[in-house]
Amino acid sequence: QKEVEQNSGPLSVPEGAIASLNCTYSDRVSQSFFWYRQYSGKSPELIMSIYSNGDKEDGRFTAQLNKASQYVSLLIRDSQPSDSATYLCAVSNQGGKLIFGQGTELSVKP
Amino acid sequence: EAGVAQSPRYKIIEKRQSVAFWCNPISGHATLYWYQQILGQGPKLLIQFQNNGVVDDSQLPKDRFSAERLKGVDSTLKIQPAKLEDSAVYLCASSLYRVGYTFGSGTRLTVV
Repeated sequence: QKEVEQNSGPLSVPEGAIASLNCTYSDRVSQSFFWYRQYSGKSPELIMSIYSNGDKEDGRFTAQLNKASQYVSLLIRDSQPSDSATYLCAVSNQGGKLIFGQGTELSVKP
Repeated sequence: EAGVAQSPRYKIIEKRQSVAFWCNPISGHATLYWYQQILGQGPKLLIQFQNNGVVDDSQLPKDRFSAERLKGVDSTLKIQPAKLEDSAVYLCASSLYRVGYTFGSGTRLTVV
């Protein structure tokens, strides 16, 4: 079992729709959870972090964490073509080790 | 605040040659990471430093890869000898108190 798993996609949504990205992790003692966006040929850019169960909203982005189910998700409301990128889920443990999933490619069609 | 600096941006070498990458983290960030990202995959952690000590190097191919972080600031990652499968982007990241992980622009390595 991979430490961090994501749907590989690609995920295609129409402009203005909600994009839903999912991630599961295997280490129950994981403490911090991150979503990074990576445009083609660029380095990962942090867009959301979440540390406790529940929802965290930032503009059009909502991160959801369920530690009991070892599940974290990212919702993007009112998706725009500029949101087209690969979204990476990352999980860190107490020692600060940051482990990434394989990424989900999102395509937002105008 | 200056970001994480990496050099070079691109490097093309022949197999069996050696190569080195350099990273200067954000000032004050004690933790430094080197990741390898193969096309179409997520970043894979190679080594994690806390100041100038190694915290985790379990996935570093130690027969050919080495890394150091002298004086707990900048770091160098070396590959010797390189193989075709080492073609990837090598990303350096730094963090403060295990949050706010910030990545450099990466070095794209092509081994031919």
